[in-house]
Amino acid sequence: QVQLVQSGAEVKKPGASVKVSCKASGYSFTSYYLHWVRQAPGQGLEWMGIINPSAGSTSYAQNFQGRLTMTRDTSTSTVYMELSSLRSEDTAVYFCGRGLTVFGVVTPILDSWGQGTVVAVSS
Amino acid sequence: ETVMTQSPATLSVSPGERGTLSCRASQSVGSNLAWYQQKPGQAPKLLIYGASTRATGIPARFSGSGSGTEFTLTISSLQSEDFAVYYCQQYNNWPPEVTFGPGTKVDIK
Repeated sequence: QVQLVQSGAEVKKPGASVKVSCKASGYSFTSYYLHWVRQAPGQGLEWMGIINPSAGSTSYAQNFQGRLTMTRDTSTSTVYMELSSLRSEDTAVYFCGRGLTVFGVVTPILDSWGQGTVVAVSS
Repeated sequence: ETVMTQSPATLSVSPGERGTLSCRASQSVGSNLAWYQQKPGQAPKLLIYGASTRATGIPARFSGSGSGTEFTLTISSLQSEDFAVYYCQQYNNWPPEVTFGPGTKVDIK
């Protein structure tokens, strides 16, 4: 079955960077785009960006331009999300999710999710 | 940016009853709307996409309707495992715009 397994919790100081991994299994890694979504404590969901695991191309939400980098390693079926210049407002649970392709169109409809990674930013 | 609102913020329902959740978009999103269920400490789970298409494995008691700016998620007979928070998501102007609603919590009456 489809599984997305994320790396463990992180505690970072303001100004630092964090890199979270998401390892995919149970399907063809290069056939589905992967997204990152975050959820601040007690808050809703915020879409961050997308990576094409085949080509490595990315697209990021405007709010994260300049601070967010997504990469992939096809040899291990793993995608990475790195967020830099961390501030307290970046404290959240970060999820990776697999995007559906509907009638041949890539979409941000997420049909499988990782378990989430807590990132806490505190001095 | 398309702003999504959901009502009510909390819906109190008895098991076996019908639950109706609303989602409104600040501008038309066509049928480019999905619904997710999230339980405490878990990742969201896809229920509905394209406003009315059930995702794989989702029971028939979940149904979605609407288009444009007004959408509804209906749970025909609430089961104990359905008590959770439900989010709508629009993707009409993606890429790059994707926005989620603030959620509706369905709890036990």
